[in-house]
Amino acid sequence: DIVMTQSPDSLAVSLGERATINCKSSQSVLYDSDNNNYLAWYQQKPGQPPKLLIYWASIRESGVPDRFSGSGSGTDFTLTISSLQAEDVAVYFCQQYFNTQWTFGQGTTVEIK
Amino acid sequence: EVQLVESGGGLVQPGGSLRLSCAASGFIFNNFYMTWVRQAPGKGPEWVANINEDGTETYYVDSVKGRFTISRDNAKSSFFLQMNSLRADDTAIYYCAKSVIGAGPMGYWGQGTLVSVSS
Repeated sequence: DIVMTQSPDSLAVSLGERATINCKSSQSVLYDSDNNNYLAWYQQKPGQPPKLLIYWASIRESGVPDRFSGSGSGTDFTLTISSLQAEDVAVYFCQQYFNTQWTFGQGTTVEIK
Repeated sequence: EVQLVESGGGLVQPGGSLRLSCAASGFIFNNFYMTWVRQAPGKGPEWVANINEDGTETYYVDSVKGRFTISRDNAKSSFFLQMNSLRADDTAIYYCAKSVIGAGPMGYWGQGTLVSVSS
């Protein structure tokens, strides 16, 4: 199975500042045939299901604010919140859908400093 | 509006069975790959099983293979998770989810149904 490892486990950022979350996969999730990275990012708030933010590593889901962006390729990926807002306090997960055994990262908790 | 509504959760003894259902609406159900994801208390999400658009392909996380079966009824816009030989570590909120595109990321989720396995 592909193991997804996120860093850090938690971070505290001041309002309006940048938050950066990293995700590393144990093997490449870049599909050579279509040049897509099979990597998604989700946000989860307490008592709610996860919400899709980013897929194909960098494509923002409809309705997601443009302060959220995804980057990276192969095995190393980043989710960036360019200007943290109070409503962004949540746990963020990366997930690979490269093969038939989907896996999630362990999560990164974002808090306000 | 896309809606996914899970049902069938509850308290069951170890070794018991439950059948979860997910009723879908607001989209052409038989055009989409569907998924069950679970989340144990205080833990991150864990993918459980997928089923393709016509039900001919199914995939499972290793820990449930041979115990759980995913299926779908396209005529009723519903899909299911039959869970047998339940164990304490199956305790979780179970979410049904719809892929955005193909066998891809999950853009819509239900609110979840709680499965508790305890004697």
